Amino acid sequence: KNEVEQSPQNLTAQEGEFITINCSYSVGISALHWLQQHPGGGIVSLFMLSSGKKKHGRLIATINIQEKHSSLHITASHPRDSAVYICAVRTRRGGGADGLTFGKGTHLIIQP
Amino acid sequence: GAVVSQHPSRVICKSGTSVKIECRSLDFQATTMFWYRQFPKQSLMLMATSNEGSKATYEQGVEKDKFLINHASLTLSTLTVTSAHPEDSSFYICSARDARDSGEAFFGQGTRLTVV
Repeated sequence: KNEVEQSPQNLTAQEGEFITINCSYSVGISALHWLQQHPGGGIVSLFMLSSGKKKHGRLIATINIQEKHSSLHITASHPRDSAVYICAVRTRRGGGADGLTFGKGTHLIIQP
Repeated sequence: GAVVSQHPSRVICKSGTSVKIECRSLDFQATTMFWYRQFPKQSLMLMATSNEGSKATYEQGVEKDKFLINHASLTLSTLTVTSAHPEDSSFYICSARDARDSGEAFFGQGTRLTVV
């Protein structure tokens, strides 16, 4: 079982729809990241969360530490939101160095 | 926000040759950088942690003699794929964390390596 599970894997929606992408994890974390990867491969960090909720423009991210679950919401979706959205958790690894464990991503397509 | 520049964005090389990928933090100092590999339709997998001024820490299953990492300064880490084989073809991406350790991860643009 993956340490980070995302759902859905693929999502196609119409422009204007409210989008929700879910992320569940099974390990202890110090932070959770939501990332956006465009077709060219480059990754942009959208949010880093350790508790509660954050909002940036049309994007909202929430996290429930007790339930080990986070959601990314997109309001008034637009075709330019089409991308792969990746949930990544920051775990503590040996020697004090830590990196990120990634979900497989949610491939979102917003149709005009 | 902070910028991490990764170069080259694409490279095609012949089997048996070596390829160097650079990762630079442009407006902050990064004591730690991370190198990831992503195969098609797979999640990113951490390969190694690059520490400024010391040896890199490799994840299990990653050959340190094949994937050479050098973090010679607070703004530059390099990954050299030595004696590349077609199975090394993948998307390689680095991330860097600000030395002030805000926890925020900043990613490079990635490098698409094709070994022919």
